[in-house]
Amino acid sequence: NAGVTQTPKFRILKIGQSMTLQCTQDMNHNYMYWYRQDPGMGLKLIYYSVGAGITDKGEVPNGYNVSRSTTEDFPLRLELAAPSQTSVYFCASSYEGRRTNGYTFGSGTRLTVV
Amino acid sequence: AQKITQTQPGMFVQEKEAVTLDCTYDTSDQSYGLFWYKQPSSGEMIFLIYQGSYDEQNATEGRYSLNFQKARKSANLVISASQLGDSAMYFCAMRDGTSGSRLTFGEGTQLTVNP
Repeated sequence: NAGVTQTPKFRILKIGQSMTLQCTQDMNHNYMYWYRQDPGMGLKLIYYSVGAGITDKGEVPNGYNVSRSTTEDFPLRLELAAPSQTSVYFCASSYEGRRTNGYTFGSGTRLTVV
Repeated sequence: AQKITQTQPGMFVQEKEAVTLDCTYDTSDQSYGLFWYKQPSSGEMIFLIYQGSYDEQNATEGRYSLNFQKARKSANLVISASQLGDSAMYFCAMRDGTSGSRLTFGEGTQLTVNP
């Protein structure tokens, strides 16, 4: 049982480049999330999805796009990368309906924009 | 809007002693949940403990317990018998009726356990 898998683990982008951060979960969780964590800070929600075909903005969505074509996959797209997007990105999933509902997090993607 | 405040940027504790990490929250909803996560230096996020707003008992999970004081809107994490492996960043998080499944995180507390 792999849980939540994120790729790549590390990436350096040049300003203006684009990339997709991949996220896959094999727990049949219906909800998925993307957070970013800036150095020494807490996590801020970028986008989330409550099921295939449904996505919504979080607290800091500007500069990002997502899609959810399947239950398992929730990729995050960065268009026109900027230095302000240098951060660690976490994908997470949860199954709504259970009482004690902690997220399962991926191991993170450390992105540097230069 | 919901808000989580962790006022201790850093805490130090001696090995085998207990330590309390503070967390206060703000919400106007009656139904909400509070979570604590651990983030070691390796970076992963590890779920530790959960407390629901209607739970009558304070949550416990092994050496972790949650000191839930509803009237004060505080949800402090207590770690008993600290171990060197407890050195990590600890995050308090909350979800409520307004946020649905979305968690709002505090800024975190860096705990260092000294031998």
